[in-house]
Amino acid sequence: AQKITQTQPGMFVQEKEAVTLDCTYDTSDPSYGLFWYKQPSSGEMIFLIYQGSYDQQNATEGRYSLNFQKARKSANLVISASQLGDSAMYFCAMREGRDSSYKLIFGSGTRLLVRP
Amino acid sequence: GAVVSQHPSRVICKSGTSVKIECRSLDFQATTMFWYRQFPKQSLMLMATSNEGSKATYEQGVEKDKFLINHASLTLSTLTVTSAHPEDSSFYICSAKDPRTGELFFGEGSRLTVL
Repeated sequence: AQKITQTQPGMFVQEKEAVTLDCTYDTSDPSYGLFWYKQPSSGEMIFLIYQGSYDQQNATEGRYSLNFQKARKSANLVISASQLGDSAMYFCAMREGRDSSYKLIFGSGTRLLVRP
Repeated sequence: GAVVSQHPSRVICKSGTSVKIECRSLDFQATTMFWYRQFPKQSLMLMATSNEGSKATYEQGVEKDKFLINHASLTLSTLTVTSAHPEDSSFYICSAKDPRTGELFFGEGSRLTVL
């Protein structure tokens, strides 16, 4: 079974508007972490935001926020005020268990294109 | 600047040759590094966990004799693709955890093309 599911292979958003990228996950471990990464065409993985399973509040980092709905096992990324430079692949990832390992499982990714 | 560096960033080789990719943590000592492979337009797939001073732990379906991993020091892990074939052409990315902060850093990736 898929551990991390990203159902949107591609998304368009108008510049300056907000966009939500979907991510659902599957785990029976009560302790886990959820990550979002941005991968531009150059290939490097850029860390955006992290949500721990025990965190009470949704994570926010500048224009990025994570809509964490634990009961629904979803961790959607919200990018506000989209910029042309936000065009890239976005990957949701999960780490199961506590800090003993940073082995990440990645979703299939969503390609975001920001239109001027 | 990058805190995890990979070299080379691009490599082209002939089928049957071996290629070594290096992953260095520049600012911290990493007892554990991870190697991922990413085929075009696909996600990152974990290949193996590189453990300093001991054998790597390979994910199911990854041939350990094909993808040799050596983590001889706390700042360097190497991935050697032995007897490379065109189907090994891929983007290989490493990551390492800074034990001081718990942050995970990725290298810039290495694009391998086997002719």
